[in-house]
Amino acid sequence: SQKIEQNSEALNIQEGKTATLTCNYTNYSPAYLQWYRQDPGRGPVFLLLIRENEKEKRKERLKVTFDTTLKQSLFHITASQPADSATYLCALENSGYSTLTFGKGTMLLVSP
Amino acid sequence: DAGVIQSPRHEVTEMGQEVTLRCKPISGHNSLFWYRQTMMRGLELLIYFNNNVPIDDSGMPEDRFSAKMPNASFSTLKIQPSEPRDSAVYFCASSEVQETQYFGPGTRLLVL
Repeated sequence: SQKIEQNSEALNIQEGKTATLTCNYTNYSPAYLQWYRQDPGRGPVFLLLIRENEKEKRKERLKVTFDTTLKQSLFHITASQPADSATYLCALENSGYSTLTFGKGTMLLVSP
Repeated sequence: DAGVIQSPRHEVTEMGQEVTLRCKPISGHNSLFWYRQTMMRGLELLIYFNNNVPIDDSGMPEDRFSAKMPNASFSTLKIQPSEPRDSAVYFCASSEVQETQYFGPGTRLLVL
């Protein structure tokens, strides 16, 4: 069956370091993958989309990689700040259905 | 734009009562999604509308749940009768190009 795995344990890092979050999937062949940020009590907010033929995508301090052979995406936040503390969700496109399946997310805590 | 609007923001009801959640998508968006989020199961897609027509309702848990989209600017999700296991945060999201989704603030439902 289809499965998306994100680290369930919170990631604690120090301000200024690079945070790396992982999204692994099985039994999917998504045309694209997205990352969302969710703050407590709020809805997810779109951050980045990366397509299956793209290896890497950047936006300001954010970088996403997509390895369709390993079935893995890595999400990096460089020069992390306490304001980056949130839960980050990866979402995979359901082939041909125009819908997304979300992972359960990883909480990131950046301490000053 | 005001973004996706959901009401009510919080709902507390007793088991057996009918619950109606409301959503106003972003103007011009032609796709609308209803999700449910719990700690155990994460963010789950319940139903997806495109141009006001239900396309995929395979995520609707059972007949107690129903959703309508009478026009492009309004959708409802109804639970009748409600049960304690329906307690969750319900999100509505809309999209224009069926890729990036814009989420509302959610309705936190507690069924006693």
